Amino acid sequence: EIVLTQSPGTRSLSPGERATLSCRASQSISNNYLAWYQHKPGQAPRLLIYGASSRATGIPDRFSGSGSGTDFTLTISRLDPEDFVVYYCLQYGASPLYTFGQGTKLEIK
Amino acid sequence: EVPLVESGGGLVKPGGSLRLSCAGSGFIFSNAWMNWVRQAPGKGLEWVGRIKSKPNGGTTDYAAPVKGRFTVSRDDSKSTAYLQMNNLKIEDTAIYYCATGWYLDLWGRGTLVTVSS
Repeated sequence: EIVLTQSPGTRSLSPGERATLSCRASQSISNNYLAWYQHKPGQAPRLLIYGASSRATGIPDRFSGSGSGTDFTLTISRLDPEDFVVYYCLQYGASPLYTFGQGTKLEIK
Repeated sequence: EVPLVESGGGLVKPGGSLRLSCAGSGFIFSNAWMNWVRQAPGKGLEWVGRIKSKPNGGTTDYAAPVKGRFTVSRDDSKSTAYLQMNNLKIEDTAIYYCATGWYLDLWGRGTLVTVSS
């Protein structure tokens, strides 16, 4: 099973700043089958990025994904107040077993 | 219109059973792979299981902690997926979400399952 480790666990930033979230895999993820989700309390998780770098429909271009192999990054170029929630990465390459990272929480400094 | 709506959650005793439903709308349900994901209190997301579309074989896969106890099924005539949960354990307490697709592109808001004596 591929284990995903997200860092940091919590990041304190201010609105307007840039956020860089990391997701590291215990082994290489085939074809970069790595997705990112945003999860607000009480709401459905929202797909942001799939295939490591492709933005999902309707996602603002201030969200971007990059990386390959075992190291992946989600970047939010300018933080809005609504962005201060939890983010998860997911690998869907080692099908049939999907695994999530443990999450990164963005909090307002 | 909410594309996915889960129902069927509630309070159940350890060893008991529960069946969750996930009703889909606004997309071609019969072509969709349907997943179940859960979030235990204070924890992160955990993939539970999946059923592929019938054109892709309709096969199921499960995470190790639920294999042999949980069963995912579907009724395309009702645009509904199900999660049958048997022999429930306290650690199965969680919000259960359904999500479509290979990389989980659409999600419902979840239904709460509490396993407690």
